[in-house]
Amino acid sequence: AQSVTQLDSQVPVFEEAPVELRCNYSSSVSVYLFWYVQYPNQGLQLLLKYLSGSTLVKGINGFEAEFNKSQTSFHLRKPSVHISDTAEYFCAAQVGAQKLVFGQGTRLTINP
Amino acid sequence: EAGVTQSPTHLIKTRGQQVTLRCSPISGHTSVYWYQQALGLGLQFLLWYDEGEERNRGNFPPRFSGRQFPNYSSELNVNALELEDSALYLCASSLGSGTTQETQYFGPGTRLLVL
Repeated sequence: AQSVTQLDSQVPVFEEAPVELRCNYSSSVSVYLFWYVQYPNQGLQLLLKYLSGSTLVKGINGFEAEFNKSQTSFHLRKPSVHISDTAEYFCAAQVGAQKLVFGQGTRLTINP
Repeated sequence: EAGVTQSPTHLIKTRGQQVTLRCSPISGHTSVYWYQQALGLGLQFLLWYDEGEERNRGNFPPRFSGRQFPNYSSELNVNALELEDSALYLCASSLGSGTTQETQYFGPGTRLLVL
């Protein structure tokens, strides 16, 4: 069965520091990968997606992610975070029948 | 362009009651998905509707059901509510192009509290 693992449940960083949120997936078939962000008391907002092509994907708000097939990873990065990036981040994978499988989420906390 | 909308935003029910949640997809989208985000359980796929038909279902009991209308809006019905049904219910929509490369866009969710 397909699964998505987010390796860190919480990541605290200082403002303007770089951050990496880790995501690994397990799938033996082609997979489409997504990162969503959830701000407090809100729904999910799409940050970026990998469908095919270039393995480095750029998204909104300065985020980017790199698809690594050999390591089955899709880590999310931002070179310099801001207080407004405080949120929960979800990695998700889609295979075939349109169902998204989500990781457990990583809570990113930005300290001033 | 309007995004996915859901109603109501919040509601409180008691055990055994029934509830209906509503979702309107992005204009031009024909696929609607429902997910449950319960505390400690993460985001779990509930249902997928496309062109008025249920296409896929997650591992939920039959008291979770829904439908999609000709205008592609959707309802999620939950019968015989249990305390563990307390969660944020998220609706998403996608183009429904028939390809596997679909991107799902989410609404703000309906927060259900069962007492």
